[in-house]
Amino acid sequence: QSVLTQPPSASGTPGQRVTISCSGTNSNIGVNIVHWYQQLPGTAPKLLIFRDDQRPSGVPDRFSGSKSGTSASLAISGLQSEDEADYYCAVWDNSLTSYVFGGATKVTVL
Amino acid sequence: QVQLVHSGAEVKRPGASVKVSCKASGYTFTDYYIHWVRQAPGQGLEWVGNIKPKSGSTLYAQKFQGRVTMTRDTSTSTVYMDLSSLRSEDTALYYCVREVPESYTFDYWGQGTLVTVSS
Repeated sequence: QSVLTQPPSASGTPGQRVTISCSGTNSNIGVNIVHWYQQLPGTAPKLLIFRDDQRPSGVPDRFSGSKSGTSASLAISGLQSEDEADYYCAVWDNSLTSYVFGGATKVTVL
Repeated sequence: QVQLVHSGAEVKRPGASVKVSCKASGYTFTDYYIHWVRQAPGQGLEWVGNIKPKSGSTLYAQKFQGRVTMTRDTSTSTVYMDLSSLRSEDTALYYCVREVPESYTFDYWGQGTLVTVSS
């Protein structure tokens, strides 16, 4: 049972917009920066969004992050087949003194 | 370019210990924290702890305290994770990960070392 709550799955057709939520508390998302990682099948995770809404170089601008209060969101606009992957939110938790990950959301392109 | 290269897969009996290594290259080793994150088969990501290569100071997730030890060798730019009293639930892919300073942003991930615990 993860401290951060994500939906287990999300899906859309090519070109659609998909949003993934990440719900936390005032000891993690409410006070610390959120990161998002993408894990393509059979590969190591890759940094997708850092500092709530920043994209590393090389990450397409169809990926965007946002945060409000104790929740964060990852949006994928213009969904493409290569976006099929698991997505994780992550943040430092002050109460647990631990880095915590969400339970992963599997995105399927229909 | 930045690389984190893991040691090979391990198979261990329950109760045994395992030591996994991760050799860093392509950057100044002592400037970046290294974290260990594990992933059980078909499961999500779990933070194990971190080490500050410059000083050797460590921080472990409460779940692993008493069973995990992280060390480093600055002469070879290598970090080690030793996990003891292994049980079947420790079967996982263990990743070493580099952190962008003071941000908990994990910018580079190794390929991982598979540790299998089985009798």
